[in-house]
Amino acid sequence: RKEVEQDPGPFNVPEGATVAFNCTYSNSASQSFFWYRQDCRKEPKLLMSVYSSGNEDGRFTAQLNRASQYISLLIRDSKLSDSATYLCVATYNNNDMRFGAGTRLTVKP
Amino acid sequence: GAGVSQTPSNKVTEKGKYVELRCDPISGHTALYWYRQSLGQGPEFLIYFQGTGAADDSGLPNDRFFAVRPEGSVSTLKIQRTERGDSAVYLCASNERPGSPLHFGNGTRLTVT
Repeated sequence: RKEVEQDPGPFNVPEGATVAFNCTYSNSASQSFFWYRQDCRKEPKLLMSVYSSGNEDGRFTAQLNRASQYISLLIRDSKLSDSATYLCVATYNNNDMRFGAGTRLTVKP
Repeated sequence: GAGVSQTPSNKVTEKGKYVELRCDPISGHTALYWYRQSLGQGPEFLIYFQGTGAADDSGLPNDRFFAVRPEGSVSTLKIQRTERGDSAVYLCASNERPGSPLHFGNGTRLTVT
């Protein structure tokens, strides 16, 4: 089993839609979780950290469910500029960071 | 301030050759990570340094791959006897302390012909 697994996608949604991505992690001892955004042929960039109580940043909401070992990302009111690949990250042994395969989102006019 | 710097940005080499990829992390960041990313895939973990020592090298695919960080700052990823399957983007990242977000360099695109 991979350390971090994500919805395979791709997701194609119209502007203004709400879209949710899920991700599961294998190590119950994982402590830190993040969502990254990666544009085509660019490096990943931090979108938001994921906190135990859930957290929101504008149109983006992240949730953590430790019992089921999954994290989620909700994007409300999708914009064309949200089109990208979204990567979830969890710490693994010794605090190294493991990435999911990524979920590609395309927002269409 | 300066971000993570990786050189070269592109490297084309012939099968069987040796290559070195360099990463200069953000000043003061104690942890440094190497990942490999193929098209359509997420970053694949290779090795993680805490200071000068490799805290976890379990992601290195075989003994052709080796990485060093002798002074706890700049790191070099070394690949011997390159194979076409080694072609990928090699990403380096650093963070301020364990568990804090990673900051990535622009990557080195390696092509083995």
